[in-house]
Amino acid sequence: DIQMTQSPSSVSASVGDRVTITCRASQGIGSWLAWYQQKPGKAPKLLIYGASTLESGVPSRFTGSGSGTDFTLTISSLQPEDFATYFCQQANSSPRTFGQGTKVEIK
Amino acid sequence: EVQLVDSGGGLVKPGRSLRLSCVASGFTFSSYTMNWVRQAPGKGLEWVSSISGSSTYIYYADSVKGRFTISRDNAKSSLYLQMNSLRAEDTAIYYCGRDLRTGWAYSDFWGQGTLVTVSS
Repeated sequence: DIQMTQSPSSVSASVGDRVTITCRASQGIGSWLAWYQQKPGKAPKLLIYGASTLESGVPSRFTGSGSGTDFTLTISSLQPEDFATYFCQQANSSPRTFGQGTKVEIK
Repeated sequence: EVQLVDSGGGLVKPGRSLRLSCVASGFTFSSYTMNWVRQAPGKGLEWVSSISGSSTYIYYADSVKGRFTISRDNAKSSLYLQMNSLRAEDTAIYYCGRDLRTGWAYSDFWGQGTLVTVSS
């Protein structure tokens, strides 16, 4: 199975800050990567797929980049509704696997 | 509007069985691969199983293979997960999800989740 490793595990930031989360795959996955946002008590929400394609309705302050083994999710200007946990997920091969999550907390 | 509604969770003793359901609406159910993903309390996400639109292709995580069975009834726009020989480590919130496109293992819509607790 492909292992997905996210860093950091948590980040404290203020409204308006730029936040970057990284995800590393244990082997090359091309651009087969998604990012999800999850708020407490809610299901995950798809933000980005194909490493950089924004899902419909997702604000443009979210940007995904990378290919191969190293990927990045950037929130350009953090908004109050962005405080949540973010997961990456590889879709290159079965089983699909997720990173352990990065919690974005209020500083 | 696309909606997925999960149900069937509850408290069950180790070794017993439970059947989860997911009712879909707002899209042509038979055209989409569906899947189950679970999340243990306070933990990350773990894919459990997937089934193609016509039920031709079915996949399971090694952790549930031989114990869980995924199925669907396209006439009822419903997805199921039959869980047998349940273990404490199966305790989790179970989410059904719809894959964005055939062959693309990204879930663009999710149910609200149903909690399964396995405990004596």
